[in-house]
Amino acid sequence: GENVEQHPSTLSVQEGDSAVIKCTYSDSASNYFPWYKQELGKRPQLIIDIRSNVGEKKDQRIAVTLNKTAKHFSLHITETQPEDSAVYFCAASMVEYRNKLVFGAGTILRVKS
Amino acid sequence: EPEVTQTPSHQVTQMGQEVILRCVPISNHLYFYWYRQILGQKVEFLVSFYNNEISEKSEIFDDQFSVERPDGSNFTLKIRSTKLEDSAMYFCASSEHGPLKQFFGPGTRLTVL
Repeated sequence: GENVEQHPSTLSVQEGDSAVIKCTYSDSASNYFPWYKQELGKRPQLIIDIRSNVGEKKDQRIAVTLNKTAKHFSLHITETQPEDSAVYFCAASMVEYRNKLVFGAGTILRVKS
Repeated sequence: EPEVTQTPSHQVTQMGQEVILRCVPISNHLYFYWYRQILGQKVEFLVSFYNNEISEKSEIFDDQFSVERPDGSNFTLKIRSTKLEDSAMYFCASSEHGPLKQFFGPGTRLTVL
């Protein structure tokens, strides 16, 4: 089955700097890759997603890139703000089979002001 | 904006007791999921449900677990005889299109004593 590895496990950045979180997946059939943000004690919230027919997607300060050949995808947050501090989870799935999301282990992002 | 809701927010039970966790998915969604998250760990898939039947279940979802959509709005997870290791946050999620854009509920924290 699918396995998703996520790095780093923790990331501290200065406010205004960029943050990059990387994930790799094992199943080349996976074609949907969402990113979720989870604040302490709250529900995971979808912040951006990408399908395998595109290599990059951007939404204001966040972007996701996908390299299908290498089977990895990354979340990029620019101009980080204290409210970006949270746990970020990547996930992978296969759309055609109404498949489950397989999550990475999460990255704790701390933005220091 | 419509949200997935879950009740109760916190459930404390004795080992061996039955618990029912309730979810109200977003009204036009057709795909329903249960995930769990043990404190400090990744989100893990339990079961997916579509067209009034289970689509897929994980190894965690053994004979002690069951799901039901008793009416047009509720989606429930039952654990027949709880174990200590069932203590976790249980998230319900729903989507219009399979794994795409799954929206999570606020979770039920289950504590088994």
